[in-house]
Amino acid sequence: EAQVTQNPRYLITVTGKKLTVTCSQNMNHEYMSWYRQDPGLGLRQIYYSMNVEVTDKGDVPEGYKVSRKEKRNFPLILESPSPNQTSLYFCASSWAGENNSPLHFGNGTRLTVT
Amino acid sequence: AQSVTQPDIHITVSEGASLELRCNYSYGATPYLFWYVQSPGQGLQLLLKYFSGDTLVQGIKGFEAEFKRSQSSFNLRKPSVHWSDAAEYFCAVGPIWAGGGADGLTFGKGTHLIIQP
Repeated sequence: EAQVTQNPRYLITVTGKKLTVTCSQNMNHEYMSWYRQDPGLGLRQIYYSMNVEVTDKGDVPEGYKVSRKEKRNFPLILESPSPNQTSLYFCASSWAGENNSPLHFGNGTRLTVT
Repeated sequence: AQSVTQPDIHITVSEGASLELRCNYSYGATPYLFWYVQSPGQGLQLLLKYFSGDTLVQGIKGFEAEFKRSQSSFNLRKPSVHWSDAAEYFCAVGPIWAGGGADGLTFGKGTHLIIQP
């Protein structure tokens, strides 16, 4: 089954403790992206990647890092989490360069930073 | 800069009644428009998309949307809602492919649909 898998689904951590949220897709998609969803703000893009070793900032990249060492994986790294990063995070993937390629989303990771 | 406005934060509809969710966009070129649905605890699922051609597009789950260039709108409709349609709905606008920054999808803030029995 084609899917985007995020782990963990729920995460509670404390300020400053480094964490990684994993994202993996099995569709051989070139494009992957991270979003955060906050009440009243909709989805905002954090980082995206057009292919292996190619990443770029989205609209709200501060406080986050990503890497794309393999095509299928696109982890989101919070080196020093802060309470304002408490949010619902989504990973998504799609073909790149196709004019009818919808985003496939993971089921989300709800992060709480205390 | 591109933008999407979903004027209604919440909408309540009785089961079996018709539904229309509004979406207005601002985009400097030919827009590519999407509607996504987010059920509780789930990721976003594509309902339908518009790229070109017939301005009335059909999607999954009995939804349709109409692109009106003169009104910069892409409203989502369903003739008769079911309790399972209760969810968050997002309209999005973007370029030919999903990218980032100015080349990425811009999402509206969402409309929360409540279904009354």
